[in-house]
Amino acid sequence: EAGVTQSPTHLIKTRGQQATLRCSPISGHTSVYWYQQALGLGLQFLLWYDEGEERNRGNFPPRFSGRQFPNYSSELNVNALELEDSALYLCASSLRTGTASSGANVLTFGAGSRLTVL
Amino acid sequence: RKEVEQDPGPFNVPEGATVAFNCTYSNSASQSFFWYRQDCRKEPKLLMSVYSSGNEDGRFTAQLNRASQYISLLIRDSKLGDSATYLCVVSLNTGGFKTIFGAGTRLFVKA
Repeated sequence: EAGVTQSPTHLIKTRGQQATLRCSPISGHTSVYWYQQALGLGLQFLLWYDEGEERNRGNFPPRFSGRQFPNYSSELNVNALELEDSALYLCASSLRTGTASSGANVLTFGAGSRLTVL
Repeated sequence: RKEVEQDPGPFNVPEGATVAFNCTYSNSASQSFFWYRQDCRKEPKLLMSVYSSGNEDGRFTAQLNRASQYISLLIRDSKLGDSATYLCVVSLNTGGFKTIFGAGTRLFVKA
């Protein structure tokens, strides 16, 4: 079974540009989560999509946005890039329905997209 | 107060040592609990779920105290390969699962 896949693996941009990151969840998973992890820091929750809708949003400015497509894949867009946006962006997927004992709420992560803003 | 708080670390231990990590969570409605492991510059991976009765997986033992809203992870006979950041994770069902990660505790196991 294919895991969560993210692209690109690495991305280098300059200040003010836009970045688009992509994520394909595990087959059958309908929820997709995005996290930002700056070097040496913990995971900061960005966005949660489920069934094509944004379900929750972390404490990030509006220039961080995304969407989820009908096939449950997702895209994260970061506009007007700033130096501090340099980080590892992690996507995770999970089942939405089901019981906790069935593992429905276990997140499986992709390998991440490393964004560098110069 | 953070929703999930962990020992600040880092923990530096010799091989063979026993080390314990603690975690507290603020939302009493939390339903599921996990420990994830994250190696340097890699993605987090599920280490083990934490059940109310406590559970063990080889050298790893996880315990949950719902009354105190406290989770622990015990690693016995530490190995060099255990060096990583350990993330305490709490999940609650809000019509879909809301998952909250702690900041993590860094462990260094030395020969």
